[in-house]
Amino acid sequence: EVKLVESGGDLVQPGGSLRLSCAVSGFTFRSYTFHWVRQAPGKGLEYVSTISTNGGATYYADSVKGRFTISRDNSKNTLYLQMGSLRAEDTAVYYCARDLNWGFFYSWGQGALVTVSS
Amino acid sequence: EIVLTQSPATLSLSPGERATLSCRASQSINTFLAWYQQKPGQAPRLLIYDASNRAAGIPARFSGSGSGTDFTLTISSLEPEDFALYYCQQRSNWPPITFGQGTRLDIK
Repeated sequence: EVKLVESGGDLVQPGGSLRLSCAVSGFTFRSYTFHWVRQAPGKGLEYVSTISTNGGATYYADSVKGRFTISRDNSKNTLYLQMGSLRAEDTAVYYCARDLNWGFFYSWGQGALVTVSS
Repeated sequence: EIVLTQSPATLSLSPGERATLSCRASQSINTFLAWYQQKPGQAPRLLIYDASNRAAGIPARFSGSGSGTDFTLTISSLEPEDFALYYCQQRSNWPPITFGQGTRLDIK
């Protein structure tokens, strides 16, 4: 069974940092590109970041570039999103997703809620 | 950045009816378009990719069509579980990958 399980969501103060993890099972983690997508409360879906199979290529939305870092550990079947200089507008449910055809989101985790507030 | 505009914002139909949802791109995206379904409190689910290919496990009542700038998701005969939010998404010329604002499919 394909499973993606996010963890690390929390309440954090503006300017703070947080690391999300996405543990993957049920398929060969190292063979796939992965993404992070977020959804602010009551809003639509927003692309955040992408990492290639070996981590050699990473991409970011302009809204998070320079503040967020995507990474992966193929030995642990885990994807990460290091978030820094957090703002109120970063408040959202963050989903990890497995790639399909270089840019579609084939399977998704259940999401991790990040709340940025003082 | 490619902007996707979905219409209508809300569609109210009854079970058994046919639903037609539209997505228009601000420039040509070939067939690099996907459709997702999202129910309250759940993650999105991939329905259609590359404009017309059904994802694994998706019922045949869901179909996608279009190319260039105009795309359609059709649900041939609505089941009670189909009432949800639907998003289109493009993967042409990214980053950024972009989504439409969504169409809410309500029970009439």
